[in-house]
Amino acid sequence: GIQVEQSPPDLILQEGANSTLRCNFSDSVNNLQWFHQNPWGQLINLFYIPSGTKQNGRLSATTVATERYSLLYISSSQTTDSGVYFCAVWADSWGKLQFGAGTQVVVTP
Amino acid sequence: EPEVTQTPSHQVTQMGQEVILRCVPISNHLYFYWYRQILGQKVEFLVSFYNNEISEKSEIFDDQFSVERPDGSNFTLKIRSTKLEDSAMYFCASTSWNMNTEAFFGQGTRLTVV
Repeated sequence: GIQVEQSPPDLILQEGANSTLRCNFSDSVNNLQWFHQNPWGQLINLFYIPSGTKQNGRLSATTVATERYSLLYISSSQTTDSGVYFCAVWADSWGKLQFGAGTQVVVTP
Repeated sequence: EPEVTQTPSHQVTQMGQEVILRCVPISNHLYFYWYRQILGQKVEFLVSFYNNEISEKSEIFDDQFSVERPDGSNFTLKIRSTKLEDSAMYFCASTSWNMNTEAFFGQGTRLTVV
């Protein structure tokens, strides 16, 4: 099946810092989504971004489908940004949403 | 904004008991899914459901599990004879007209088997 790799696995940021999370995938995809899992375990949809760039407040994402990667940018991080960020992709070759292992982000005051 | 809702948010059950996890997908969506996340691990696909039947299931989804859409709004996951290793967060999701459009997830049910 399709492989989804996220990096880095862990990230510690000071409040106000910027960061970039990366998602690499091994096959052509039709759908790519970024999620934030908060400390209560809820999965929050951040972006549906099979290609191109989107922005939502301090967060933005870019997917370069031809090169099989996506980036999530967090600017001016806040403590509420803490949690695990998951990338998930859908490929015809796999037929379901495949999640990466996530990036654990801790933002300190 | 429409959302997927799951109940209960947390369920504790004794080993060997049956549990039913409930989900109300977004009303005009056609595809429904269950995913599972064991504590500290990645989110794993369990099963997809379309047109009142299972479209695909993973090897995790054995005879212990079943899904049902008992009416026009609910989508349920039943686990018969729960085991300790069934303890996990269970997420329901739905997509609209095509399986690879944006998936919307519920807030999850945390199942603890004791």
